[in-house]
Amino acid sequence: EPEVTQTPSHQVTQMGQEVILRCVPISNHLYFYWYRQILGQKVEFLVSFYNNEISEKSEIFDDQFSVERPDGSNFTLKIRSTKLEDSAMYFCASSEKGLLVEKLFFGSGTQLSVL
Amino acid sequence: RKEVEQDPGPFNVPEGATVAFNCTYSNSASQSFFWYRQDCRKEPKLLMSVYSSGNEDGRFTAQLNRASQYISLLIRDSKLSDSATYLCVGYSSASKIIFGSGTRLSIRP
Repeated sequence: EPEVTQTPSHQVTQMGQEVILRCVPISNHLYFYWYRQILGQKVEFLVSFYNNEISEKSEIFDDQFSVERPDGSNFTLKIRSTKLEDSAMYFCASSEKGLLVEKLFFGSGTQLSVL
Repeated sequence: RKEVEQDPGPFNVPEGATVAFNCTYSNSASQSFFWYRQDCRKEPKLLMSVYSSGNEDGRFTAQLNRASQYISLLIRDSKLSDSATYLCVGYSSASKIIFGSGTRLSIRP
């Protein structure tokens, strides 16, 4: 079964450092998403990406965040200057068709710890 | 009212018991909802979809009550492996996918 893969599974960084979280969506999918989940809290939408541009973003997704699809397979989330409160599990997801939950596949996540 | 709100949990029930929990929603125009299962520190995985007619899959039954704006998940003959957090997911009025905060279920032997 095709799957969304995320690397690394764990990332530890110092406050103020830049981090890049990587995702390889399912190959024929066109819509890409980043979600985050702070420990013990709900899954929160960050950003959606389609046709090489951001289609929607939440208020969490401020100027410190950016996304990129540098080639035909990777989809990255960059946090420019990490803060303690950025510590969370970050999930990448992709779908063949947008906004259809049944078609939304999640990666296994990257646990980001900011010290 | 929150767009998607769940029973707080945790639910702690013996193996073999039947357990049910609800999720209320505020977007009265929303037509479809979903239950996800999330194991500790893992990604959410789609358990089942809930449309107007409800849905049943083995021991799991999901129903939608439009009048009271809630959906429910019923688990019969619960197994130890059912222990997880169950997330209610719907669409907001702006058509965004919204996750509930989850209900923790723990099945004891």
